[in-house]
Amino acid sequence: GENVEQHPSTLSVQEGDSAVIKCTYSDSASNYFPWYKQELGKRPQLIIDIRSNVGEKKDQRIAVTLNKTAKHFSLHITETQPEDSAVYFCAASHDYKLSFGAGTTVTVRA
Amino acid sequence: DGGITQSPKYLFRKEGQNVTLSCEQNLNHDAMYWYRQDPGQGLRLIYYSQIVNDFQKGDIAEGYSVSREKKESFPLTVTSAQKNPTAFYLCASSPPLGGWDSPLHFGNGTRLTVT
Repeated sequence: GENVEQHPSTLSVQEGDSAVIKCTYSDSASNYFPWYKQELGKRPQLIIDIRSNVGEKKDQRIAVTLNKTAKHFSLHITETQPEDSAVYFCAASHDYKLSFGAGTTVTVRA
Repeated sequence: DGGITQSPKYLFRKEGQNVTLSCEQNLNHDAMYWYRQDPGQGLRLIYYSQIVNDFQKGDIAEGYSVSREKKESFPLTVTSAQKNPTAFYLCASSPPLGGWDSPLHFGNGTRLTVT
């Protein structure tokens, strides 16, 4: 099955700085890569996704890049704000199943 | 909000008892999923169902069972055979079949504690 590795497990950034989370996947057949944000005590929510025919996608302060050859994808958050503090999960989709990374706890320091 | 209802929010059981977690959705989604979340391990897939009366094992199905008798409902039973059942359980759904790249919509989860 698919194996998704996510780094780092924790990330502390100064407000206004950028945050980068990286994920690798094992199955070259995976073709959909969403990112979810989970605030404390709440459900995971989709923040951005990318499909295998696209190399980069941006939505305001959030961007995702995909390198299919290297089988890795990254989440970039610019101008971080306190409300960006949460756990972020990457995932890779294969055969209608999403496999998740272990998560990155992001803390934005004021 | 979100159209997926999980109940109860907190559940306590004694070891050796089976327990059923409820998941109902009104989003008209065909596919439904159960994930288990443990600290530091992300979300792991237990079972999933793409259509009524059909379901498949995920990565950690041992000790769990499901049914999909109605499109709206996908209950999960944690049996006494599950060696480490204490966890946070998340139910999710996604739009109609054929959408391999459809995002998941999650419920608010059930926190199960077995002592």
